[in-house]
Amino acid sequence: DQQVKQNSPSLSVQEGRISILNCDYTNSMFDYFLWYKKYPAEGPTFLISISSIKDKNEDGRFTVFLNKSAKHLSLHIVPSQPGDSAVYFCAASWSGSARQLTFGSGTQLTVLP
Amino acid sequence: GAVVSQHPSRVICKSGTSVKIECRSLDFQATTMFWYRQFPKQSLMLMATSNEGSKATYEQGVEKDKFLINHASLTLSTLTVTSAHPEDSSFYICSAQGTDTQYFGPGTRLTVL
Repeated sequence: DQQVKQNSPSLSVQEGRISILNCDYTNSMFDYFLWYKKYPAEGPTFLISISSIKDKNEDGRFTVFLNKSAKHLSLHIVPSQPGDSAVYFCAASWSGSARQLTFGSGTQLTVLP
Repeated sequence: GAVVSQHPSRVICKSGTSVKIECRSLDFQATTMFWYRQFPKQSLMLMATSNEGSKATYEQGVEKDKFLINHASLTLSTLTVTSAHPEDSSFYICSAQGTDTQYFGPGTRLTVL
């Protein structure tokens, strides 16, 4: 049973445009959500996170939106750059699980020059 | 940002030998560290949770006698793959738990011949 789902395995976007990556979850216990970026043969790099008490968090070109009622979060990258091309994982955790992360399956983002 | 290192980054060994992988949090103390394994084109699979000064907690299906984990200090956890076999070849990634966020190491590519 996948508790965190990224239904789009891949996404292509033109340079300079907005990239929107989506993530859905089923476990209502999750109270903290994170986005990681990963290149092949490297560990994930933390990008941005959001607590369940918020509905938006922004850091530079990256904004994460959380819709608790829909159990949905999204990562917006504006403007997209070729260097953003990577696999993006969303992850969720809750305080009762020692903050273990449950990962989505990832979305391969390709930003076209 | 928080930095987590892994050593070695790449190791090739003969079948039947043991391999030790180190995970260090360089600029923060981590009571909890995690070990993951990534199969090709798949998401990260949590193997075990490593707590400083106590026994690791293994996920279902992970052999604790094969994957020995030691978390001797607040900045170091080690994973030893004992009597490695070719099917143990994989990309192993550790992470260290910060306040709410896990920070990942760069990963170790293990190849067992």
